[in-house]
Amino acid sequence: SQTIHQWPATLVQPVGSPLSLECTVEGTSNPNLYWYRQAAGRGLQLLFYSVGIGQISSEVPQNLSASRPQDRQFILSSKKLLLSDSGFYLCAWSTQGAGGNTIYFGEGSWLTVV
Amino acid sequence: AQSVTQPDIHITVSEGASLELRCNYSYGATPYLFWYVQSPGQGLQLLLKYFSGDTLVQGIKGFEAEFKRSQSSFNLRKPSVHWSDAAEYFCAVGAPGSARQLTFGSGTQLTVLP
Repeated sequence: SQTIHQWPATLVQPVGSPLSLECTVEGTSNPNLYWYRQAAGRGLQLLFYSVGIGQISSEVPQNLSASRPQDRQFILSSKKLLLSDSGFYLCAWSTQGAGGNTIYFGEGSWLTVV
Repeated sequence: AQSVTQPDIHITVSEGASLELRCNYSYGATPYLFWYVQSPGQGLQLLLKYFSGDTLVQGIKGFEAEFKRSQSSFNLRKPSVHWSDAAEYFCAVGAPGSARQLTFGSGTQLTVLP
């Protein structure tokens, strides 16, 4: 069966510091990968998605970036965090092709920028 | 572009009572439709999905949803709510064949009274 893991689960970072959140998927190949953000009391906002290695689509312009160095690895980064970057970040995956819209989520990472 | 509306921000029901969470979508054709549940501090878990066929869809944890094309709705129901059902529920719509994303509603917070 497929599993998705993201880490760290909780992170407290000062303003202006860098960020790296990592996500890996097991049990499937060539998945679509996603990063979502969920601000407190709000819905989900798609940040990035990827349909293959090195292929990144950005949904929201901001100081975050994403990379996909390997087929099942997705990384969310920032060079300098802002207070507004605080939130709950969710990595997710889906299969490609028929039925590929079913998205499965990781456990999430809490980021607090102080 | 597709959109999703969950009209109820917060719903409170007593344990054992029936539940219906509303979801209305906007999409030019037959969409893919989903319901997810999120417990505090955790990722989203897929409850059920509709791609085609029978408009009454059964999911996990005793939930079901009915796709009504004429009303552009995909309401989630459960005949008897358990205290463990307290969580936030998200409806989502996806475009068939699109790897891009699901569009999520803003969520409905469910409180279950003993």
